[in-house]
Amino acid sequence: AQTVTQSQPEMSVQEAETVTLSCTYDTSESNYYLFWYKQPPSRQMILVIRQEAYKQQNATENRFSVNFQKAAKSFSLKISDSQLGDTAMYFCAFTNFGNEKLTFGTGTRLTIIP
Amino acid sequence: NAGVMQNPRHLVRRRGQEARLRCSPMKGHSHVYWYRQLPEEGLKFMVYLQKENIIDESGMPKERFSAEFPKEGPSILRIQQVVRGDSAAYFCASSPPRTTGELFFGEGSRLTVL
Repeated sequence: AQTVTQSQPEMSVQEAETVTLSCTYDTSESNYYLFWYKQPPSRQMILVIRQEAYKQQNATENRFSVNFQKAAKSFSLKISDSQLGDTAMYFCAFTNFGNEKLTFGTGTRLTIIP
Repeated sequence: NAGVMQNPRHLVRRRGQEARLRCSPMKGHSHVYWYRQLPEEGLKFMVYLQKENIIDESGMPKERFSAEFPKEGPSILRIQQVVRGDSAAYFCASSPPRTTGELFFGEGSRLTVL
């Protein structure tokens, strides 16, 4: 069974700083997807970024980038120039290739301080 | 193109009553997933359905819970004889026939059992 571990229950940073959220996972599969989802107070799950395991290049989306270390089974999210609107719960998630059954971590509550 | 629509957004039931949660997937999406989120936790997979078929219900409690996705109409998650422990946010997500690994989430239905 796949597992996803987020070891930082809470983090806070000053606005405009850079913050990195960590995530590790465990799987015996070689092809899979990894995701970071954001859940603001409105509770809607919003996809932040995704990574295909077969791609060596780290995914980036504007201020969001990942550091994907396949051998170490690590998938951290870096948020640059953090903004107040980034305040939310962030969930790391995993799914096997060809399957959208997501396994989520327990989340990191990120607070951006003005 | 409307997103995933869930209703009701909020539902209050007394112990022993039935709860019905509805989900209309995005247009063109034929796969529906239900997830449950307990307070301060990540989302947990419950069931995966395609039209008229349950594909994977490994996360669904064996008793009192059922799900369907009929040929016409929304997917329904039904909880019979609700108990206080069923209080949670229930999220529906959908994906297109050709998998990309990405799920599109609704805004969730929050069930409160008194």
